[in-house]
Parts: sequence; C-alpha cells; structure tokens
Amino acid sequence: GESVGLHLPTLSVQEGDNSIINCAYSNSASDYFIWYKQESGKGPQFIIDIRSNMDKRQGQRVTVLLNKTVKHLSLQIAATQPGDSAVYFCAENIGAGGTSYGKLTFGQGTILTVHP
Amino acid sequence: DTGVSQDPRHKITKRGQNVTFRCDPISEHNRLYWYRQTLGQGPEFLTYFQNEAQLEKSRLLSDRFSAERPKGSFSTLEIQRTEQGDSAMYLCASSLVPGETQYFGPGTRLLVL
Repeated sequence: GESVGLHLPTLSVQEGDNSIINCAYSNSASDYFIWYKQESGKGPQFIIDIRSNMDKRQGQRVTVLLNKTVKHLSLQIAATQPGDSAVYFCAENIGAGGTSYGKLTFGQGTILTVHP
Repeated sequence: DTGVSQDPRHKITKRGQNVTFRCDPISEHNRLYWYRQTLGQGPEFLTYFQNEAQLEKSRLLSDRFSAERPKGSFSTLEIQRTEQGDSAMYLCASSLVPGETQYFGPGTRLLVL
C-alpha cells in the first residue's frame, strides 16, 4: 500500500547547528503535508504544514520543503536547541474527492537528539 | 496545550475488561479523529467523525471497538473485552474542517495486563 516513510530514524546534532529531517511519500494524490513534533508521553504537536501548490514554507526557525517530482518532504530546523529534542513525524493528507479526505497517514518518525 | 483534552491520561486494565476513553475537541471543530500509536511507530488512523456522523472506520477497528460522538462535541471510544494487543496510546485530534490542521490531544495510554 502507499505510505509515508522517513529516511533517517535518528539524528544527533549539536546545539546551534541546523537540522534536516527527511520524509518520502508515495501517494501522488496527497495535497497537504504536516510536520509534527512529539515529546515523550505527549501527543503530536503541530509544527508546520505545506500544501501541494507550494514548494517551500517558512515558520519560526523551521522551513518545510516539498519536492513533488521525487515525492520528498523535508523539515529544516535552524539553530537547533535542546528543547527541540523529540520525535518528528511527517504526515500526509490524501487529496480532495477521496472518501478518506482529512485522514492523516504518518511516517515512522525520526528521533532528534540535540546535545548542549 | 492544543485545546484538545483526553481522559483518562492513563489506564491499566486486565484482559477481558471493557474500557472507555473520552475526547473533548477544540470548540467548534467539526472533525474529530481517533488514532492509535504503538511504541516506535507513528499514529495510525482508526476512525473519524464529521459532527455526529462517523464517516469512516479503519480495518484496525475490530468489532470490539466502538466510537460515538452523540452531540457532535465530545467523543468516546470504547474497547470491549480488551486484549494485550490493545495496549497502545490512543490519540484524539480535531480540525475545523476536512483538510485543515489537526490538533492532537495528550493521548490516553492503555496498558492491558
């Protein structure tokens, strides 16, 4: 079946470095992508999203890039801080018109560890 | 705090018992979703509601699972005759409309002994 997956299960960086977390997706009908951060024992926390009619979107210290040609999504975190340590998930939303519109499909997750 | 609340936060039960979880979505959010998350995995879709109507159920949702959203506000997820394989984090999310950002609650962690 079609799914969302992550290239790197773990990422370890030094405080102040930039982090890049990657995600591959396979459903060409997906039109909306979201990055979530999940800390231990908590629910996923929304970070940033992007729609398929865009290729880049920036937030506070975060940037999401979407490459529809190769079905690749990335999350860039600038000046990574220890508080950024968490599991990061990408999720995709199947496009409008499908019966499952709105349902999110998640990847496995990348563990980001930031060393002071 | 996203505004989505779940109760209880933790539940330990013996195999064969019934359990019920509650989710209170963000006020005025029409869409309410239930997901299940096991250790080391991303959340997996279970079911969702548009107002009070349950529109889709995953194949993960066996006959022992039932969900309701009677007044289009809070929702309950009941698991009957729990099994050890039901042990997981049960997450609730809500969105204003389909295709918009889903905000998750803190989850209910279920342990079936």
